[in-house]
Parts: sequence; structure tokens; C-alpha cells
Amino acid sequence: SYVLTQPPSVSVAPGQTARITCGGNNIGSKIVHWYQQKPGQAPVLVVSDDDDRPSGIPERFSGSDSGNTATLTISRVEGGDEADYHCQVWDSSSDHPVFGGGTKLTVL
Amino acid sequence: QITLKESGPTLVRPTQTLTLTCTFSGFSLSTGGVGMGWVRQPPGKALEWLALIYWDDDKRYSPSLMGRLTITKGTSKNQVVLRMTNMDPVDTATYYCAHTRRGFGAFDIWGQGTMVTVSS
Repeated sequence: SYVLTQPPSVSVAPGQTARITCGGNNIGSKIVHWYQQKPGQAPVLVVSDDDDRPSGIPERFSGSDSGNTATLTISRVEGGDEADYHCQVWDSSSDHPVFGGGTKLTVL
Repeated sequence: QITLKESGPTLVRPTQTLTLTCTFSGFSLSTGGVGMGWVRQPPGKALEWLALIYWDDDKRYSPSLMGRLTITKGTSKNQVVLRMTNMDPVDTATYYCAHTRRGFGAFDIWGQGTMVTVSS
């Protein structure tokens, strides 16, 4: 089955740019979605269809997808962005969704 | 406004069957394209997709758990039910239901989740 690989943790200073990667075989050919999950809360969709933001999600959140890596970019990071971030794709070969292992973003 | 809420037991004994219900509002599971999924998350671990059901009763199951899972529309039109047999302590997790659409692939609205502990 399709496997998505994320780094366990990423750290960034406030005001800087955070980049969280999601690796998968030829992931550039797939549509990638990203979720933010704060402690004790349910996941929230922050980027869909590679680089669309649902209503209410700040423009600071963006996504890109090429080759074997997808990236969630968070510009001008704020303390409130500290959370776990999960990538997800639809595996067309098995016709079901697949989640990455999640990345903990720490704002220093 | 779409809302989802999971309900079910908080404690299940090993080998028992878990039945969870997702009660939703703000949409109809009879509307073309609409789907509902279940996702779980063991404490401190990753999200794991479990099952999906679409408006036309098309169903999908996680290959690793197929055989233990059954997803159905509830007797009430605004409910979806997940059954998981032969529960084990490794199934201890927070279980979420979530809204999706066929062809979209993402889960755009999630319930708050319900924590299920499997222990004797």
C-alpha cells in the first residue's frame, strides 16, 4: 500500500517560515491534503487539492507538490500555529485515503 | 453549518464488538457525492483511516482491518454506524467521523472524536 513519510518534528521561530514535508512515491501525481491538529482537538483541513485553502484558513498556509515530495508552507509563523500537521492523499490503486505519520510543529 | 458528533462506549473488553454512531446535521447522506468516513488515532500516534460510506451505499474499508469493520447508514437518516469486531488493546484510540465528497478525497469537517479504551 501507499506510504507517506513525514518528519516527526519541525521547529521554527515566530515570524519565520515553516516548511513541513510529506514524502511518497511520485506524490506529485497525486492530490495532497493537509490537516492541522492542536492538542486535544480534532484535525482541521487547512490545505486541500494541493494548494487550496478552505474558508477561514489564513493565506499564510500554502501547499506545493512535485516529484516525490509535497510541502506545507506556513509563512510568518505565529504561536497559535503550534500543532501537529498531517498530510493525506487518495491512493487510486487501492481506492482509499492514506495519512502520513504527522509532524509536530514547535514555535520556538 | 455541518456538525458531526460521535457516540459510543468509552470502555470495551477485549474480544468484544465496538459499535460507534456518528450523528450529523447540516447535510444529507442521500445527496449525490456525499460521503462519511471514520478515522482513528491511538494516543500520541498518527491518524489511521478505517472506513468510508457514500450516498449510494458504496463502501470502502482499510485493507489492514477489513473483516473486522462494518460501516452502515443508521436507522435515522442523519446517522452512520461503525462496527469493529474482536477488539484488542491496540485498538485503544480516539475515533473520529468526518464528512467528505466523492472525488474530493479530503475530510473537510470532523467530529470532536470519542475516546475508546480496550481493557479487561
